[in-house]
Amino acid sequence: DAGVIQSPRHEVTEMGQEVTLRCKPISGHDYLFWYRQTMMRGLELLIYFNNNVPIDDSGMPEDRFSAKMPNASFSTLKIQPSEPRDSAVYFCASSSQVYNSPLHFGNGTRLTVT
Amino acid sequence: QKEVEQNSGPLSVPEGAIASLNCTYSDRVSQSFFWYRQYSGKSPELIMSIYSNGDKEDGRFTAQLNKASQYVSLLIRDSQPSDSATYLCAVNYAGKSTFGDGTTLTVKP
Repeated sequence: DAGVIQSPRHEVTEMGQEVTLRCKPISGHDYLFWYRQTMMRGLELLIYFNNNVPIDDSGMPEDRFSAKMPNASFSTLKIQPSEPRDSAVYFCASSSQVYNSPLHFGNGTRLTVT
Repeated sequence: QKEVEQNSGPLSVPEGAIASLNCTYSDRVSQSFFWYRQYSGKSPELIMSIYSNGDKEDGRFTAQLNKASQYVSLLIRDSQPSDSATYLCAVNYAGKSTFGDGTTLTVKP
């Protein structure tokens, strides 16, 4: 299996610009998660989906962040407008339909907002 | 109080020694527990999962879980320089994993 695929690997943008991060989960995994990792806050859950439906978005920082999962093989995390404090590594992860199964992480997107 | 707390690092051990990593959690209904390893600049990767009280061994790694004390640990025997990484404890409830801040381990040759 190809694993979780994220793009782009690196994104540098200016404050105020729109940023779109993309994720392809492992085929057959029904859960998809978006995490953000910073030195200050560690690894924090932003939102997760089950069978393409958002289940918990309580970790989304504010309305500037939005996430979609139009089908089982694709998800996006969008930040509009971006701010310097959004600079972080964003990870997408997926897990199987077995309850409480471990996460499989993508390689992450390192976002820098100047 | 954070939901998942790990012993503050960094932790440094000599090659061949036992490294002990600890984690406590606050949610009594947590259902499953995981240890992930994260090398610098890389993504977390699963090394151990544990679901019931007691010990679980996999090669040089042993995970220990005590639900009554809300405590989970990871022992690494015969530590190798390649074990140098940040170890993340994750506690899962209803399909949602909450991570500790991690403990950075350095194994010195």
